[in-house]
Amino acid sequence: EPEVTQTPSHQVTQMGQEVILRCVPISNHLYFYWYRQILGQKVEFLVSFYNNEISEKSEIFDDQFSVERPDGSNFTLKIRSTKLEDSAMYFCVIGDSSYNEQFFGPGTRLTVL
Amino acid sequence: DQQVKQNSPSLSVQEGRISILNCDYTNSMFDYFLWYKKYPAEGPTFLISISSIKDKNEDGRFTVFLNKSAKHLSLHIVPSQPGDSAVYFCAASGVNYGQNFVFGPGTRLSVLP
Repeated sequence: EPEVTQTPSHQVTQMGQEVILRCVPISNHLYFYWYRQILGQKVEFLVSFYNNEISEKSEIFDDQFSVERPDGSNFTLKIRSTKLEDSAMYFCVIGDSSYNEQFFGPGTRLTVL
Repeated sequence: DQQVKQNSPSLSVQEGRISILNCDYTNSMFDYFLWYKKYPAEGPTFLISISSIKDKNEDGRFTVFLNKSAKHLSLHIVPSQPGDSAVYFCAASGVNYGQNFVFGPGTRLSVLP
């Protein structure tokens, strides 16, 4: 049984539009992350979230990106004004320790036209 | 800046034989390493890990070897099965590095029946 699910599985949007990607952990976890993988490239870290705040973020995670856990359960990634280069597979990742294996969700494929 | 490298983009092995996937890293702050397996249209799944205090970790058909002096690790799968065909990612992190994992570009393993 998966530890985490993601919705939608595929999101198509026009450049400049806002998108919200959702992550639903099956059980309680302490650490939440977003990674992405642009087609044909490696998996890249975006942001980590612990104790209801961002604990670390990469240079990719600029002002266009934000994360939150609005209801203490779902974990969301918002991209305010999408760009063509935001097209990628976005993985929600959960963990119980910052120094341990992390469980990946199935991913949301974002296509920006 | 490729801190984690997997120099073989693909590998083909006959069923029943040994598969050896290699990974090199450059950052000496890394002291925890993981292997993930990824099937098409799914998120990466955790396979096996090793910390720098060990040089070998075994789990069933999967064994990871770590050579700290060479900054090299390898994943051995024996015997290889057709169901092992997937993309394998090496990832690295460390207590003093940060909360995220740095992924290699992946190696596509094809196990031929």
